[in-house]
Amino acid sequence: DGGITQSPKYLFRKEGQNVTLSCEQNLNHDAMYWYRQDPGQGLRLIYYSQIVNDFQKGDIAEGYSVSREKKESFPLTVTSAQKNPTAFYLCASSIGGGMGNQPQHFGDGTRLSIL
Amino acid sequence: KQEVTQIPAALSVPEGENLVLNCSFTDSAIYNLQWFRQDPGKGLTSLLLIQSSQREQTSGRLNASLDKSSGRSTLYIAASQPGDSATYLCAVSSGGGYQKVTFGTGTKLQVIP
Repeated sequence: DGGITQSPKYLFRKEGQNVTLSCEQNLNHDAMYWYRQDPGQGLRLIYYSQIVNDFQKGDIAEGYSVSREKKESFPLTVTSAQKNPTAFYLCASSIGGGMGNQPQHFGDGTRLSIL
Repeated sequence: KQEVTQIPAALSVPEGENLVLNCSFTDSAIYNLQWFRQDPGKGLTSLLLIQSSQREQTSGRLNASLDKSSGRSTLYIAASQPGDSATYLCAVSSGGGYQKVTFGTGTKLQVIP
């Protein structure tokens, strides 16, 4: 079955530590996205990538970094510069290619907490 | 800047009741509107996608409508069941060279047996 796999499901970060969230898709989608979800707020876009080796900042990119070396993979690193990282992180993908009328598909999320 | 609002934030209904969830958006220049379901601790599951040129979409007991001119969409759920209990999110795609999607904060639905 095609889909998006996020790992781990739960992650804990210590003070001053960088942590990396994994996102893998086998849908052959060009575009991939990282969102952050906080209680009582809508999803907010952290980074997006329209194609391999290209990515752009979203609305709340500070304290985060990404890479897109392979079409299937879009890992997100939460750096020590992100002072409030506790949240639910969701990865999504879409066909892309500038086709804004295509749906986004989501993974099951990673919950990040501070130790 | 696109803003998406969903009211009410929470809704509780008895099983079997028909119900309507509301979504409003401020900028009518959209590519599509998507309704999602989110179960606790899970990702988003796409329910219905309405293109900007469409007025409604149906899937089983679900029917979503779109009125771009008034900036509104509704999700109608017929004959609600306890398994429908979840948070329902609407999201608007405004394009702009990439798929800029703005999400509402959701309506948490509880269907009581």
